[in-house]
Amino acid sequence: DVKVTQSSRYLVKRTGEKVFLECVQDMDHENMFWYRQDPGLGLRLIYFSYDVKMKEKGDIPEGYSVSREKKERFSLILESASTNQTSMYLCASSSGAALMNTEAFFGQGTRLTVV
Amino acid sequence: AQSVTQPDIHITVSEGASLELRCNYSYGATPYLFWYVQSPGQGLQLLLKYFSGDTLVQGIKGFEAEFKRSQSSFNLRKPSVHWSDAAEYFCAVGRTTGGYNKLIFGAGTRLAVHP
Repeated sequence: DVKVTQSSRYLVKRTGEKVFLECVQDMDHENMFWYRQDPGLGLRLIYFSYDVKMKEKGDIPEGYSVSREKKERFSLILESASTNQTSMYLCASSSGAALMNTEAFFGQGTRLTVV
Repeated sequence: AQSVTQPDIHITVSEGASLELRCNYSYGATPYLFWYVQSPGQGLQLLLKYFSGDTLVQGIKGFEAEFKRSQSSFNLRKPSVHWSDAAEYFCAVGRTTGGYNKLIFGAGTRLAVHP
């Protein structure tokens, strides 16, 4: 069974803290993604990576950064957490470069609350 | 720009009734289309996908979807809904930007099932 694992289901952090969200996949996928999910807005892409040490901005990268030091691990970093970053964060992975392989496998999500 | 619209935010049906969830997309070329389901507290799971060929696509859990190019639609259907189908459903389109392949999601439709 394919698996994408996010390190935390729930997190509560204080404003201004540096926050790390970790994601690991065991499918040897090249591509990994971080999405943010908010009611009425669906999923919005924050960052993605197509290779180790490679990253690309998605649609809403402001206030976030990422790290991919190993193929299986993709970390999302909130440099200085703010209350408007309270949200559900979903990690996903997919194989291949062709569009028909864009099928993504998702982790269970991390619900982050910034107080 | 490519986009995905799910006109219905919430839908409520009775158990055993038929279901149709609407999805419209805007995309210049042949689209790659997906439906995902998110059960409460879970990540997203792929229900079905369309790349080419037969415009009626069968998926898991008894779901199907029909691609209609003339209407730019990819509606999800199920003939008889079960209580366990209560979840949030996301339509998505694959797109290529800057040589990279990504998914664009609709805002989602939340399905409630009455006994």
